[in-house]
Amino acid sequence: DAGITQSPRHKVTETGTPVTLRCHQTENHRYMYWYRQDPGHGLRLIHYSYGVKDTDKGEVSDGYSVSRSKTEDFLLTLESATSSQTSVYFCAISESLEDYGYTFGSGTRLTVV
Amino acid sequence: GNSVTQMEGPVTLSEEAFLTINCTYTATGYPSLFWYVQYPGEGLQLLLKATKADDKGSNKGFEATYRKETTSFHLEKGSVQVSDSAVYFCALSGSGGSNYKLTFGKGTLLTVNP
Repeated sequence: DAGITQSPRHKVTETGTPVTLRCHQTENHRYMYWYRQDPGHGLRLIHYSYGVKDTDKGEVSDGYSVSRSKTEDFLLTLESATSSQTSVYFCAISESLEDYGYTFGSGTRLTVV
Repeated sequence: GNSVTQMEGPVTLSEEAFLTINCTYTATGYPSLFWYVQYPGEGLQLLLKATKADDKGSNKGFEATYRKETTSFHLEKGSVQVSDSAVYFCALSGSGGSNYKLTFGKGTLLTVNP
């Protein structure tokens, strides 16, 4: 989507390796989020950020860490990838939830073999 | 806590049929309500929203009315097209302890046949 990009779009990695996904925004929005989407589970929040260096856990944070050193970038790291982390990962941004909701990125399809 | 329940489908319709996808919610306070659409291989896009009771959101022929008395936000379209085939998500903004995120339903897959 305009104003938010995710990289890479696709990645295949081996079990036990570290993986970092990047979300970049040009909207200067305060809030950034990482979700995973899996069949039968819908969207599940992994971590979110409410400002530079301010982050918190979502409902499925085990095995993931995040960092936000500047407003425009929010990184998601899988410290040691497992097959259960094979998923599609979406980043979202927001400035005012009540007024505008989220703007989502196009997603990263991650396969852990 | 907040929750959203929507019909899970899948829903299969013929072109030009009438569409309803039901969405009900549980929330404290006065949340805003949203419908998102996800086309195959893409991220979710905001379809429409309503920020207070009795508001009607509309976009691309889709409509939904914020009904506080029935805690509902049903999505409707009078005549669907093949290009409307997608997954539709109902969502609400948080309040109180959940005011930092949106709460989503599990999504409804719509397939429209020519």
